[in-house]
Amino acid sequence: NAGVTQTPKFQVLKTGQSMTLQCAQDMNHEYMSWYRQDPGMGLRLIHYSVGAGITDQGEVPNGYNVSRSTTEDFPLRLLLAAPSQTSVYFCASSPSGREGRNEQFFGPGTRLTVL
Amino acid sequence: QQQVKQSPQSLIVQKGGISIINCAYENTAFDYFPWYQQFPGKGPALLIAIRPDVSEKKEGRFTISFNKSAKQFSLHIMDSQPGDSATYFCAASILGSNYQLIWGAGTKLIIKP
Repeated sequence: NAGVTQTPKFQVLKTGQSMTLQCAQDMNHEYMSWYRQDPGMGLRLIHYSVGAGITDQGEVPNGYNVSRSTTEDFPLRLLLAAPSQTSVYFCASSPSGREGRNEQFFGPGTRLTVL
Repeated sequence: QQQVKQSPQSLIVQKGGISIINCAYENTAFDYFPWYQQFPGKGPALLIAIRPDVSEKKEGRFTISFNKSAKQFSLHIMDSQPGDSATYFCAASILGSNYQLIWGAGTKLIIKP
């Protein structure tokens, strides 16, 4: 199993550009989520999905869109990039089941810089 | 009430020493408390987790101590090694809820050889 994969590893954008961060998992996990990690602020949840076709907002959803058309893929779209979106983005997935759903498996991250 | 407060922000420990990281929470409905370990350039990975029906859980050199009345839990790393240098996150959630973990802000641990 490849686990959770993210592309690209690094990206530089100009203010106002848009792009999609890709996330895929091959573990047949129901739950997938996107976090951003900023120094001293831990992990903040952007959006999450509890299954194909179902998404919901997390703590910091503004400026981001998601969709979940398949179990495997959960792309994150930045609509109009702003310097405040400079961060490291992590995708995570969790299996189903009462205990399993709380163990999250993380991808390697995408380091995004918005100039 | 949803916050998890983690301290210290950074910690330097000599090789062979004990590293201690503390977390406190307010929501008494939390019933699952994991610790994640993150190495530079990598995503976090689950290290160890505890339920509130036990006061301590040990896995190798890593121990979680849990104090339900004080609403606090801590990670102890015994015989700390340079390979333990990483950022550690505590978290809390309600088992069977909507999967969401509430995260602490993280502790950067450096083990000096």
